[in-house]
Order: sequence, then structure tokens, then C-alpha cells
Amino acid sequence: QQQVKQSPQSLIVQKGGISIINCAYENTAFDYFPWYQQFPGKGPALLIAIRPDVSEKKEGRFTISFNKSAKQFSLHIMDSQPGDSATYFCAATTSGTYKYIFGTGTRLKVLA
Amino acid sequence: KAGVTQTPRYLIKTRGQQVTLSCSPISGHRSVSWYQQTPGQGLQFLFEYFSETQRNKGNFPGRFSGRQFSNSRSEMNVSTLELGDSALYLCASTLWDSTEAFFGQGTRLTVV
Repeated sequence: QQQVKQSPQSLIVQKGGISIINCAYENTAFDYFPWYQQFPGKGPALLIAIRPDVSEKKEGRFTISFNKSAKQFSLHIMDSQPGDSATYFCAATTSGTYKYIFGTGTRLKVLA
Repeated sequence: KAGVTQTPRYLIKTRGQQVTLSCSPISGHRSVSWYQQTPGQGLQFLFEYFSETQRNKGNFPGRFSGRQFSNSRSEMNVSTLELGDSALYLCASTLWDSTEAFFGQGTRLTVV
């Protein structure tokens, strides 16, 4: 019940295309869902996050879509750029626990 | 504002030895969490400290321990190192009243 399932494991997208990464969870106590971007040799960087009372959140080219009834959320990267090539992790936590459960990661490659 | 600082960046240790890793959180952040990142297991929660108290602990053996000082800096210690402890160890800091976690660049530990 503590797992967060992430797919796909890897993704190749043409420059200018849309990258979509999906995550699913079971624990209904989770109330905060961040996405992190990680480049090789670096720590994860917070990209965007959402809470269950909102169905969508957009920041620049990055959008989170959240489906509470299906217990799923996804990251959409619009107009994908080669600089977006990185590993993306979804995560979930319950406020006040400071314990994140991470998905297994998606390695994104954007072709120039 | 400086980010989360982890030292050292790289470590090579021999099986059976012990190691101490250090983390300085973002100024004003009082919660520090530690994660282990490996290709096989992904990002896994080790423990979380707030005001020098461990509030949460992951499923790791007792060889893994940590502490937090009054200035919020934290250390983690791994005793009797095993080859399987080779990993990127990440520290994240959080404001006391926020869920947003900001990660450092990590310490790459190699056990030979």
C-alpha cells in the first residue's frame, strides 16, 4: 500500500513533442504529490507538486494532472527540449511525515 | 540562499569499515531527511530528524544511524559497511511547516 508505481521506465520523445509520465498510488492518506527531475551526478530537483484538492497544476511547460478517484497522477512536459533529458521521479507523502515514497523513475531522452 | 550541502561528495571505503556523512540544510530549514539511491532499489527513505529528534525511520538495519545537531545540521553513520551499501546518499531539508523537500547533490559511497 506504500508503493508508488511509475511508468514508463524510459521514454524517447522528439524535440517539440509532449512527454507524459504516469504514476499510481494506493494509500489514500497521501496528500502531497511532487515531481522531481534528476540529472546525472546531481540530486533530485523539485519540479512541480500538487495536492488532491486540485485536478491540474501548470508551471511553464510542466503540467501535473491528478485523478483522485483513480489514484493516479501524471506529468506532462509540453514542447519537450533536449535539455529536458533527465530522469523524472514522482513521489507521494502524507503531510507531517516528511517521508516520501518515490516511484522507480523514468529516463527521458529528447531527441534534437 | 545556499542550498543543501552534503560532504564529502565521494567516498571509497572498505568492507567492515564505518562511514559518516554530513548534511547542512538550507538556512532556516529544521527538518532533515536521508535517502539511499541505488539503481536496483531506487530512492528509499532512511530517516528524518526535526529539532534533534528522529521522528521517522525507514526499513534499514541498525547499522544505519543518524543524528541532528542544534543548528539543524545532520550526520548519518553506517557501521560495518557491506558491498551492498554502495549508493548515492541524499539529504533533503524542509521548512518546519512545509512539505516541500529540497535535496542536496548527494554523497557517492563506494564500498570495496
